[in-house]
Formats: sequence, C-alpha cells, structure tokens
Amino acid sequence: EADIYQTPRYLVIGTGKKITLECSQTMGHDKMYWYQQDPGMELHLIHYSYGVNSTEKGDLSSESTVSRIRTEHFPLTLESARPSHTSQYLCASSPPPGTDSYNEQFFGPGTRLTVL
Amino acid sequence: AQTVTQSQPEMSVQEAETVTLSCTYDTSESNYYLFWYKQPPSRQMILVIRQEAYKQQNATENRFSVNFQKAAKSFSLKISDSQLGDTAMYFCAFMKQRGAQKLVFGQGTRLTINP
Repeated sequence: EADIYQTPRYLVIGTGKKITLECSQTMGHDKMYWYQQDPGMELHLIHYSYGVNSTEKGDLSSESTVSRIRTEHFPLTLESARPSHTSQYLCASSPPPGTDSYNEQFFGPGTRLTVL
Repeated sequence: AQTVTQSQPEMSVQEAETVTLSCTYDTSESNYYLFWYKQPPSRQMILVIRQEAYKQQNATENRFSVNFQKAAKSFSLKISDSQLGDTAMYFCAFMKQRGAQKLVFGQGTRLTINP
C-alpha cells in the first residue's frame, strides 16, 4: 500500500467545533488532493495543491480550507463543523512528471467524519 | 465539463466467472487518461488499470483488461477468473492530459464475488 496517511480515521464531533483532518505522505509527491465521498457515492474533488504554498479549490464547493506549508503535509480544516459536513474525506497524492506512475493518484485510508 | 457515468450500481458474480463493468464518459478533449480504481471494504483506494486515450491498444494488467472505444466514449473493465478479493467498489475516472491532474469519478459499481 502507498505511504499516505490520514488521521484520525474516525471522528465524531458536535456542531460548531473546529476540526483539522491530517494528511501526510512520505513519497515526496508534489501534487496532493482532498476528495469528499458520501457513502456508496462517487468522489468529488474539493481541494488540490501543486506544491508548497500552492492551493486551489476543486470542482465541489466546500466550506473547508487547506494549507500546504510542507511538501509532505496537506491538512484540511473546518472552522465550524455542521451536520452537512458529515462525510468521508479522502486524501491523495501523485508523483511529478517523468516517473512511471505519473498521473496515478495514491489514496490515503480516509477520515470518516460525523457531525452531530 | 467532463462527466463519467457508470450505469451498473451493483453487480454480483460467482467466483472464477468473468465480469464486465461499464463506463461511459463525455468530453471535448482529444487527449486524456482513463482509470479504473478499486475501493475494497474499509481499505484504501488503489489503481487497477490505466489507459491513455492516444493509445489504440487496450490496457491489460493480469486478470484485468479494458475495452476502450474512443469514438463511442466507452471504457469497460473486464475481470477474468474473478476472486473473492475482487469484491469492492469500482470507480471509473477521467483525467485531462493538460492542466491540473484532476480526476473526475463515476458513481461507482459495487461488485460482489460470491464463493
């Protein structure tokens, strides 16, 4: 399995709390992504990053924010969690051009978030 | 905008049988990549197979092969000699060749291999 990690794996939290979902990879990949996946449904891109200090919004609008201060770390933050944020959040990364697995995305195990 | 459609929400076959999962997509791009990803229960999503649109030859990875029909915008996945470990959600995905490497996913097909 790929060396990409997400913590926590499961999180149950009350409305209004600030939360940060952690994602880290040890492969030196420059591109990283956050996807939102409702149970049994497709993944939707909510944020991506080309590298340090680069972040872009994805195709699905999200109230979350991200930062990329270090290559290996791409945390996602919700300032005030709401029940509508209940979902699974998947982090992914991909290697730079010139590698055999260029354009392949390696996924983390996901964080299942429940907001009460 | 690109769209990916998987018309089979669920499929179920017996072990050792062959199964084909369907995928169609819509794009105005001429160069792109197509993928099949597998998401086993409670495990990480992994790449099954990849196809470059400029290649006419269908990709093959061991028991997994694709039928890529560019004109029809169709990209089906065939699993031969299915195994219990093939039980998973399968997602078809599209990526433009130029610009950001963003994946657009289909709705997924839940495949169950029965003993």
